Amino acid sequence: GAGVSQSPRYKVAKRGQDVALRCDPISGHVSLFWYQQALGQGPEFLTYFQNEAQLDKSGLPSDRFFAERPEGSVSTLKIQRTQQEDSAVYLCASSLVRRERLEQYFGPGTRLTVT
Amino acid sequence: GQQVMQIPQYQHVQEGEDFTTYCNSSTTLSNIQWYKQRPGGHPVFLIQLVKSGEVKKQKRLTFQFGEAKKNSSLHITATQTTDVGTYFCAGQGYQKVTFGIGTKLQVIP
Repeated sequence: GAGVSQSPRYKVAKRGQDVALRCDPISGHVSLFWYQQALGQGPEFLTYFQNEAQLDKSGLPSDRFFAERPEGSVSTLKIQRTQQEDSAVYLCASSLVRRERLEQYFGPGTRLTVT
Repeated sequence: GQQVMQIPQYQHVQEGEDFTTYCNSSTTLSNIQWYKQRPGGHPVFLIQLVKSGEVKKQKRLTFQFGEAKKNSSLHITATQTTDVGTYFCAGQGYQKVTFGIGTKLQVIP
């Protein structure tokens, strides 16, 4: 079946604009993760959903970042009043089950550039 | 908090040489995962290790999980140009998965 998809693939925002990044996980996957990946770095955890419940949002860098997954499927990561330091690739990953079997399947990412 | 260190950060090898990357966690892990990211691509899951002392092989790749479940290694035998990319370990604590910085492998033909 289809893998994880993300849209848009590329987003250029002016500083101060709000952006919304979408993730469509693999159908039936319970767990969904958002990561931020800066150039030359590993993915940095942002937040984790199990179905519609946001179980961990400890990685969100500020209250300008907000994520939701209202029906336990599609998820949206929203960044308000974007800053230049928000420029990065935002990766979404989904996993079939939870906890001990969290092999994750990543989407292609959204490259956000804040000018 | 949980920290995962990975070394080396960069490795250049001649095609046919072996390659190893090492991963160390500040805390005991429930499992560790390895991913490969090609230039311009996204991380692709390779394998997951769960048991203390576990060793798994995938063709030329050998993955090990330490006895204390705090360290892991990935060894590639006789590298090929198709092995080029960045290899990440990702250690799972309670629920959060923490990625290492990655080892960028360049293979010289």
